[in-house]
Amino acid sequence: DSGVTQTPKHLITATGQRVTLRCSPRSGDLSVYWYQQSLDQGLQFLIQYYNGEERAKGNILERFSAQQFPDLHSELNLSSLELGDSALYFCASSVGLAELGDTQYFGPGTRLTVL
Amino acid sequence: AQSVAQPEDQVNVAEGNPLTVKCTYSVSGNPYLFWYVQYPNRGLQFLLKYITGDNLVKGSYGFEAEFNKSQTSFHLKKPSALVSDSALYFCAVRDEGTDSWGKFQFGAGTQVVVTP
Repeated sequence: DSGVTQTPKHLITATGQRVTLRCSPRSGDLSVYWYQQSLDQGLQFLIQYYNGEERAKGNILERFSAQQFPDLHSELNLSSLELGDSALYFCASSVGLAELGDTQYFGPGTRLTVL
Repeated sequence: AQSVAQPEDQVNVAEGNPLTVKCTYSVSGNPYLFWYVQYPNRGLQFLLKYITGDNLVKGSYGFEAEFNKSQTSFHLKKPSALVSDSALYFCAVRDEGTDSWGKFQFGAGTQVVVTP
């Protein structure tokens, strides 16, 4: 158990809908990272937050947005969902900045199925 | 731009034999290199990392990896594989160069199958 929690574990929804995925980082970690894992794209970095501020953006679609709250939990919002958005979404956290060498610890993931 | 390659989709090894999972990378600055393992329906678990210092890095569960700058490789090794090592292994790289600040690149993953 990494100490990173994600809810819900599974989410089934329809095309065009909007969902929110939630992540609570390990105690004391200031950075949160979001990743998407799919069979055809592999593991893709989406976005990073550090202490409430957006730090880096990866391959995140405009339909997706995220934020990190004062208590350091983070939410990933996915809107106008398409079939291709079906994937495993992982959250990771680190004490400081992974780009400075801090290790990212991953949560168990949320499996999103868009029908 | 940074990139990372895991040339083998799958590695098959008999229990008790040495296990090697290959990873090569391309970066513009100094690399930060990581290995993670993913068991079915689970998140990624950290195994080890190279930031600086000794080229041989020891990690969790008896795994180690050797940073080879001239060959731009960071292969994961275990002297004696266990059936429980069967999982999906990911190499990841972060380029120290500022044009890729904060962005991690994961390899496509290598499925390891250890047979009894």
